[in-house]
Amino acid sequence: SYELTQPPSVSVSPGQTASIPCSGDKLGHKYACWYQQKPGQSPVLVISQDNKRPSGIPERFSGSNSGNTATLTISGTQAMDEADYYCQTWDNSLVVFGGGTKLTVL
Amino acid sequence: QVQLVQSGAAVKKPGSSVKVSCKASGGTFNSYAISWVRQAPGQRLEWMGGIIPMFGTTNYAQKFEGRVAFTADADESTSTAYMVLSSLTSEDTAVYYCARTYGGWGYLDYWGQGTLVTVSS
Repeated sequence: SYELTQPPSVSVSPGQTASIPCSGDKLGHKYACWYQQKPGQSPVLVISQDNKRPSGIPERFSGSNSGNTATLTISGTQAMDEADYYCQTWDNSLVVFGGGTKLTVL
Repeated sequence: QVQLVQSGAAVKKPGSSVKVSCKASGGTFNSYAISWVRQAPGQRLEWMGGIIPMFGTTNYAQKFEGRVAFTADADESTSTAYMVLSSLTSEDTAVYYCARTYGGWGYLDYWGQGTLVTVSS
């Protein structure tokens, strides 16, 4: 079965750029999307189809996908961005999530 | 604005079954798939499968096949999807989410508030 791999944690200073990678076999040939989940809350879609921001998502969130790696980039990271982030794709009509990355803003 | 409202928390005995509902409003229910995703305490998101209400087509993650069932009331006035998980064990203790799934089995753009299912003797 298809697998997506994320680092367990990433740290960033306020105002800096955070990059969260997600790797999978030929992931660049598929669509990747990203979710933000804060403690006790439901996940929120922040990037769909590699690099599309849903309505209401700040411009500082962006995405890319090439080769074996998709990347979520948060520019000018704010304290409110501290959360768990999950990548996701779909393969043969099956939805696949990465293991999640805890973003710490310190 | 699409909203998905799920049924309330449940406490179940090992070996029993649980049924969780997901009522949609503010959008076209039948045209999209509804996925079910669970998250055990402190763990990752785990896709279980789902249903396309318009066609009644279901899709299952291999791990849950044979133990989970997805149904839906296709009537737009009802717009409710259901998930039944049977043969519960303590490892099924988790928050269960429903989510509208765009583009067939693509990305999950709207999520329910989650339903905590606790399995305990």
